[in-house]
Amino acid sequence: DAKTTQPPSMDCAEGRAANLPCNHSTISGNEYVYWYRQIHSQGPQYIIHGLKNNETNEMASLIITEDRKSSTLILPHATLRDTAVYYCMEDSGYALNFGKGTSLLVTP
Amino acid sequence: GAVVSQHPSWVICKSGTSVKIECRSLDFQATTMFWYRQFPKQSLMLMATSNEGSKATYEQGVEKDKFLINHASLTLSTLTVTSAHPEDSSFYICSARERRRGDIQYFGAGTRLSVL
Repeated sequence: DAKTTQPPSMDCAEGRAANLPCNHSTISGNEYVYWYRQIHSQGPQYIIHGLKNNETNEMASLIITEDRKSSTLILPHATLRDTAVYYCMEDSGYALNFGKGTSLLVTP
Repeated sequence: GAVVSQHPSWVICKSGTSVKIECRSLDFQATTMFWYRQFPKQSLMLMATSNEGSKATYEQGVEKDKFLINHASLTLSTLTVTSAHPEDSSFYICSARERRRGDIQYFGAGTRLSVL
């Protein structure tokens, strides 16, 4: 079973920031937090990952709490093409273990 | 990012036949590849870990004689679904870790298998 918990679904208006939360209260000190998304009928796409510092790349920002028990993925200006299922996962260096993720719907 | 190529993207076969799915890492060497399966409206489930030059490691409940995995080179792993049945119809996805660039696990586009 996945060790992270995410809300099953969220809505976001196009052009607004999408903030997707994730709880990973049992994460160990050397495990990274990874975020992926899966657009319908495609393979998962890597978004971003981090250990304890906040991270930003061309796709998103990742905010990790100081105690590392939760994180938030931020899509700064959501577009319709960001509609997907978003997965937050702890990575121990083995295969990624997918939970149910958050289904994000971006609306016009 | 690194690219993982999967072929075919879609296959229909008759019950009782075998289907082979290929997974290639295009710009990096992958000593380990992973095979997942995804049923409609469900999440990805890990089936097996494919190790170059050795036998695959299967997850509990996955039949190794039915899902044959061969990892013959550092850039190619294959999954063969033998004696396919309609209940094997699913979305099969492979992935590989790119150790040099942040140890990120990259995924193929998936193969949709329909068994008639």
